[in-house]
Amino acid sequence: QKEVEQNSGPLSVPEGAIASLNCTYSDRVSQSFFWYRQYSGKSPELIMSIYSNGDKEDGRFTAQLNKASQYVSLLIRDSQPSDSATYLCAVGGAQKLVFGQGTRLTINP
Amino acid sequence: NAGVTQTPKFQVLKTGQSMTLQCAQDMNHNSMYWYRQDPGMGLRLIYYSASEGTTDKGEVPNGYNVSRLNKREFSLRLESAAPSQTSVYFCASGAYQPQHFGDGTRLSIL
Repeated sequence: QKEVEQNSGPLSVPEGAIASLNCTYSDRVSQSFFWYRQYSGKSPELIMSIYSNGDKEDGRFTAQLNKASQYVSLLIRDSQPSDSATYLCAVGGAQKLVFGQGTRLTINP
Repeated sequence: NAGVTQTPKFQVLKTGQSMTLQCAQDMNHNSMYWYRQDPGMGLRLIYYSASEGTTDKGEVPNGYNVSRLNKREFSLRLESAAPSQTSVYFCASGAYQPQHFGDGTRLSIL
């Protein structure tokens, strides 16, 4: 059974700080790694993808991948109240992704 | 620009009834997906279609069937609904991975 584990939270971060979201996975041959944001009652939205070890930056978001440790993370710099949402980590091949249960993030003004 | 459109948005069924959830995308994506999301859980893949004319099982296909009618449309059918199928269902499309999601269908089976 391929597993993707996330701390369900809630993770509470003050406005302007860095939010750090973590995800571990069990399938060593995983090739694709994604982060989705889901606001309460809404559908998921793809915000980051990463395929090779290291960091990938996109605006205030940085995805970090360490395949040796089977670990992927998402950093959100200068956190805003609008970043309050559930963040879903997804891992796998291109078509068959396994999703974690999500981490609920709250940014406090 | 509609993106991914799902119908209906809400549905209540009785155990044993059947229904079809419809999904259409206007982004010319090859791949389409059906997921279910239960409280406290992430998304679980039911079925996907990598291209027109092909479908494949995901993690939780039992009790469901799908049809990739054409490149735009991918439907999900519950032949005999069970209370365990109460969930929020999302359709998604993308070039190689689920990029865009529909608004979801909230389905309750009594």
